[in-house]
Amino acid sequence: DVKVTQSSRYLVKRTGEKVFLECVQDMDHENMFWYRQDPGLGLRLIYFSYDVKMKEKGDIPEGYSVSREKKERFSLILESASTNQTSMYLCASCRDRGRGGYTFGSGTRLTVV
Amino acid sequence: QQQVKQSPQSLIVQKGGISIINCAYENTAFDYFPWYQQFPGKGPALLIAIRPDVSEKKEGRFTISFNKSAKQFSLHIMDSQPGDSATYFCAATPLTGANNLFFGTGTRLTVIP
Repeated sequence: DVKVTQSSRYLVKRTGEKVFLECVQDMDHENMFWYRQDPGLGLRLIYFSYDVKMKEKGDIPEGYSVSREKKERFSLILESASTNQTSMYLCASCRDRGRGGYTFGSGTRLTVV
Repeated sequence: QQQVKQSPQSLIVQKGGISIINCAYENTAFDYFPWYQQFPGKGPALLIAIRPDVSEKKEGRFTISFNKSAKQFSLHIMDSQPGDSATYFCAATPLTGANNLFFGTGTRLTVIP
């Protein structure tokens, strides 16, 4: 069964800390995505990557950066965590963008205090 | 700007009833419309999808109805069960080219026994 694995289920970090969220997929997918999910706002795209070392900003990239050094791994970085970044973070991957067959991880619930 | 508008935000249905979730879009280039289902503590998973060359697609108790002229599509869950309680997201994308999915804001469905 195909999998997208997010390294942490729950994280609590302090304001100002640098935070790394890791995502690994085992499907050899070219495309990977980071979303945040907030009640009433749905899924908002932070960043995506269509190839190794390539990245593109999504709808809400401010305060975030990403890294994709290997095809299977896509990391989301909060340079200096703030309380308004408390959220559920979801990683996804797909083979062909536009085909809609996204596979999501189970999410990381991040709380910034 | 929300590319796909979804309603209602929450829905409570009696067991055995019909759950209906509606989505609307403006971009006429959209030609692939998937629905994702998300259980608590899990990432969204593809449930059912439709292309605009058909007006309806049915998979078990789940049916997508599509109205191309109105630019609307909806998910109908027949004989709703407590196990259907989840958050549902509609989405849309153009199939041609490398485009990301645009998600609706989600509907939290609760089916009460």
